[in-house]
Amino acid sequence: GNSVTQMEGPVTLSEEAFLTINCTYTATGYPSLFWYVQYPGEGLQLLLKATKADDKGSNKGFEATYRKETTSFHLEKGSVQVSDSAVYFCALSAQTGANNLFFGTGTRLTVIP
Amino acid sequence: DVKVTQSSRYLVKRTGEKVFLECVQDMDHENMFWYRQDPGLGLRLIYFSYDVKMKEKGDIPEGYSVSREKKERFSLILESASTNQTSMYLCASSLLQGKGVQFFGPGTRLTVL
Repeated sequence: GNSVTQMEGPVTLSEEAFLTINCTYTATGYPSLFWYVQYPGEGLQLLLKATKADDKGSNKGFEATYRKETTSFHLEKGSVQVSDSAVYFCALSAQTGANNLFFGTGTRLTVIP
Repeated sequence: DVKVTQSSRYLVKRTGEKVFLECVQDMDHENMFWYRQDPGLGLRLIYFSYDVKMKEKGDIPEGYSVSREKKERFSLILESASTNQTSMYLCASSLLQGKGVQFFGPGTRLTVL
């Protein structure tokens, strides 16, 4: 079956610190992988995605690389800002099916000045 | 700017009441989804629809039904609300071949007393 295991939170970092949020997955076939972000009081929005092995998704200074050999898609940012405080969800979309997403449990990030 | 709107941000209902949650998208998307979001569980798919009058069960459909009479509108119905349905409900939409890229509404926080 399809599932996503995500690093437990919450995570608290000082501004300009390095961020890593771990994500591993189980899937049949060749899934696409995503990071969605939920800012306080808002719905989820797509942060970045990768559709095949070794692809790197990037957006707003965040990066994640699709590693098929380790079934991972870890989210990284070199220097976090207070405005990055949010809940981050790793997700996968199976190769076939109706575009359903399978989500991890979410990781809450708080960045303090 | 693309938009998914949900009828209420906060809703309080009593056990046994019939509850309607409405979702409207203005992007002419074929797919629409209802999720519930609970702490430590992430997002779980309740139902989705890939066309008018079409629906498919997700992972947790028990206690819920849906209606899609128009392409832009997808309703979630709790026939007889129970306290274990207290949760955040998120609606999303995507293109038919959206490949996992979904657009989310802001959510409805439902409390069942």
